[in-house]
This record gives sequence, structure tokens and C-alpha cells, in this order.
Amino acid sequence: SQQGEEDPQALSIQEGENATMNCSYKTSINNLQWYRQNSGRGLVHLILIRSNEREKHSGRLRVTLDTSKKSSSLLITASRAADTASYFCALRGAGSYQLTFGKGTKLSVIP
Amino acid sequence: DAGITQSPRHKVTETGTPVTLRCHQTENHRYMYWYRQDPGHGLRLIHYSYGVKDTDKGEVSDGYSVSRSKTEDFLLTLESATSSQTSVYFCAILGRRTDQETQYFGPGTRLLVL
Repeated sequence: SQQGEEDPQALSIQEGENATMNCSYKTSINNLQWYRQNSGRGLVHLILIRSNEREKHSGRLRVTLDTSKKSSSLLITASRAADTASYFCALRGAGSYQLTFGKGTKLSVIP
Repeated sequence: DAGITQSPRHKVTETGTPVTLRCHQTENHRYMYWYRQDPGHGLRLIHYSYGVKDTDKGEVSDGYSVSRSKTEDFLLTLESATSSQTSVYFCAILGRRTDQETQYFGPGTRLLVL
């Protein structure tokens, strides 16, 4: 299976702190994407990193990718209560138009 | 917002009855997907489509069928619903934002099979 595995499963932090969540996988990928899901809503795409990239930034988000270790991390800096959500990594394999999602990290940001 | 709607948004049905969920998009995207989301499993792909009348199975396709007779509509059918198909169902399309192809999701359909 190409499913990514997020770690930790749940994370609780104070507002203003940084949140880091990780994704590990087992097969070769074309790209890795991170999505956010607020409770009861659909998933929203956050950021995509290609297999030949090592780091990407988007606003308060920083994503790293280490293909030798088959792992990625998502850093949210200066967290806000509105960042409370579940975060999923999704893998796209080479030549595929499918995504395989992990089980997610549930982030709680306490005001 | 990629113009994706799902209907119905909520449905309660009985075991053994057929159920059809509809995904509608307004932007002529080629690829469409159906996922189910269950606690402890994340999102799992049921079926996807890469064009009118072109569909393929995903990870958890047993008990489900799909049809795509028009670009804008992708239907998911549970021929004979079972309690194990109680779930939240999400439709998605493959779209492009800047130079990246990513999936955009609909709001979901909550299905309860009694």
C-alpha cells in the first residue's frame, strides 16, 4: 500500500506555538500533498511538494520532504485557534492520477 | 472553490435498499473521484473516472458501482446498502491551481444505513 502514515495522531498546543506533524511512506512518489479538514467539512488543499523538491513555504506553512527517508513534515508556525483541524498527507505515485491519504493528525490549538 | 456539489448531503436508508449519490461539477474537469471517510481509516478511494464512460476501481470498490454519462456528473451507487457502508462520502475533482494539479473536494454526503 502507498498509504502515508501521519505522526502524531493527535497534537494539542497553545496558540502562538509551532505545530509539527510528520508523514512517512513506503513507496516512490511523484509528489506529496497536505490537506486540512475542519470538523464536518471537506478537505482543503494546503501545499504540494514534488519528489525533486526538499522544502516549500506557503504563508505560515513549511513543508519538507526527504525522499531518502521517505518522510515529510508539515510545520505550522505561530498557530492560531483557527488552525484547529485534522491534517492529512496524500501521496501521488509516478504515472498515477490517484492520491492515497493517510489517517491524519488531529491538531487542537488552545486559545 | 471548484464548483463541486454533492447531493443529497444527508441520507438515512435501510439495509438492502439501493442508494445513489451524485457529484456535480461546473468546470469541465476530466478526473473525478469518490472517497469514503471512516474513523480510524482516513479517506479511501472507492472509484474514479478519467472521462465520460471511463471509470476504474479504487481501494474499496466492493459493493459500489459508478457511472459517468456526462462530464459534469459522477454517480456513486450502492446496489444494496449494508450497515458497513455507513460513512461520509466525498467527491473530488482533479484541478489545477497555478502550476500544480491538486484535488478539490465537495462538501460530503453523510449516509446512515440502518
